[in-house]
Amino acid sequence: EDKVVQSPLSLVVHEGDTVTLNCSYEVTNFRSLLWYKQEKKAPTFLFMLTSSGIEKKSGRLSSILDKKELSSILNITATQTGDSAIYLCAAGGGTSYGKLTFGQGTILTVHP
Amino acid sequence: SAVISQKPSRDICQRGTSLTIQCQVDSQVTMMFWYRQQPGQSLTLIATANQGSEATYESGFVIDKFPISRPNLTFSTLTVSNMSPEDSSIYLCSVGAGGRYEQYFGPGTRLTVT
Repeated sequence: EDKVVQSPLSLVVHEGDTVTLNCSYEVTNFRSLLWYKQEKKAPTFLFMLTSSGIEKKSGRLSSILDKKELSSILNITATQTGDSAIYLCAAGGGTSYGKLTFGQGTILTVHP
Repeated sequence: SAVISQKPSRDICQRGTSLTIQCQVDSQVTMMFWYRQQPGQSLTLIATANQGSEATYESGFVIDKFPISRPNLTFSTLTVSNMSPEDSSIYLCSVGAGGRYEQYFGPGTRLTVT
């Protein structure tokens, strides 16, 4: 069965801190690894990674995929209160066309 | 990215009834997906909605409980049938963009079954 595991499940930091969120996956026919930010209902797309070792960056957020270790990390530098959200990792692949398997999410809380 | 809307945004329904959720996209897309997020849980794929053919359901989800329509490339509906309190969830549609796995989500429908 396809599986995605995220750690930690929750994290509390202060503004200005740097955080690293972890994601590991076991997915048949793995194709891509995605990160989403969920604040209310709808997850917002952050990154999609398909190649190992290549960092994707958007402002203070960056992510990298390690296909050998079947894992990915999401880094957030100089955190702000607006970064408080649930961060979801999803692996694309499996037996169904287009299927994403989601991890349970990391709840990030940033205090002023 | 595509602009996706869902109706209703939320609803409270009685057990035994059915609710149809609509998903509208502002551009034509090949792939649309329906997910469920139960309270405190992550997202689970219900089915892939294919235009012009039957939806493809994931293990644990059946057409009689979650019938799906996909009449054209911009619209899909998901019906939650014969509801029970266990169906209380957020239901989200997503569309594939730039590839089957790069998916963007609609705003979601929060369903409460009493």
